[in-house]
Amino acid sequence: RKEVEQDPGPFNVPEGATVAFNCTYSNSASQSFFWYRQDCRKEPKLLMSVYSSGNEDGRFTAQLNRASQYISLLIRDSKLSDSATYLCVVKIAAGNKLTFGGGTRVLVKP
Amino acid sequence: EPEVTQTPSHQVTQMGQEVILRCVPISNHLYFYWYRQILGQKVEFLVSFYNNEISEKSEIFDDQFSVERPDGSNFTLKIRSTKLEDSAMYFCASKPGSNQPQHFGDGTRLSIL
Repeated sequence: RKEVEQDPGPFNVPEGATVAFNCTYSNSASQSFFWYRQDCRKEPKLLMSVYSSGNEDGRFTAQLNRASQYISLLIRDSKLSDSATYLCVVKIAAGNKLTFGGGTRVLVKP
Repeated sequence: EPEVTQTPSHQVTQMGQEVILRCVPISNHLYFYWYRQILGQKVEFLVSFYNNEISEKSEIFDDQFSVERPDGSNFTLKIRSTKLEDSAMYFCASKPGSNQPQHFGDGTRLSIL
C-alpha cells in the first residue's frame, strides 16, 4: 500500500463550483498534515496545514479523519487560478521528512 | 516575502560527471532538505540536514550523493558520478523550526545526457 494515496484526477470543475477530494495515508504514526499546490513544472507551495479539528482558509477547507486515516480538501467558488495539482503531504512523528502523495489534478474551466 | 533560491534553474550534464546544485535557504531557517521529482512522478525525499549534519536520508541518497553547508548561507547537493536516472527536478526546502511547514525553492532541472 502506498504511504500517501490520492486520486490523480483530473477533476474538471466549472468556474464557481465546489470540488472536494481526499487523500489516504497508511502510517498511523503520521502527525502533521499539509496540502501543497503545484503548478506545472513549478515547486510545491504550501496551501494550508491541516489541523485535527478541521480548518478553513478563505475558500479552502481541510479536514482530518485520524480514525479512517484520510484528509480532505474542499474548494468553494472555484476560480480559474485554482487549476493546479494538489499534493497531500504527511509528516510522521519520528522524523522531519515530508511524504508526498502523487497529487490530484484540478482543472477549473469557464 | 523571503524565498528559498536555487541555482542554476537548469543544468545539463554528461553521464558520469559531477554536478553541484546550490540552494540559499531562508535566512533564519534551521532545517534544510533536498527532494527530487522525476518527470510525471511524485516528489521524493532525499535528505534532511540540521545542526550541520544529516539528520535523515532516504535509500535514494546513496554514496554518490552528499550535502554541505559550507558558509552558513548556502546549502549544496553534490552528485558525484551522475546517471541517466538522476534526471529530475531537484527541490531545496527549509523551515525555521521543528513544527513549522517547509518552504520550497523553485527547483533545478537536472538533465543527464
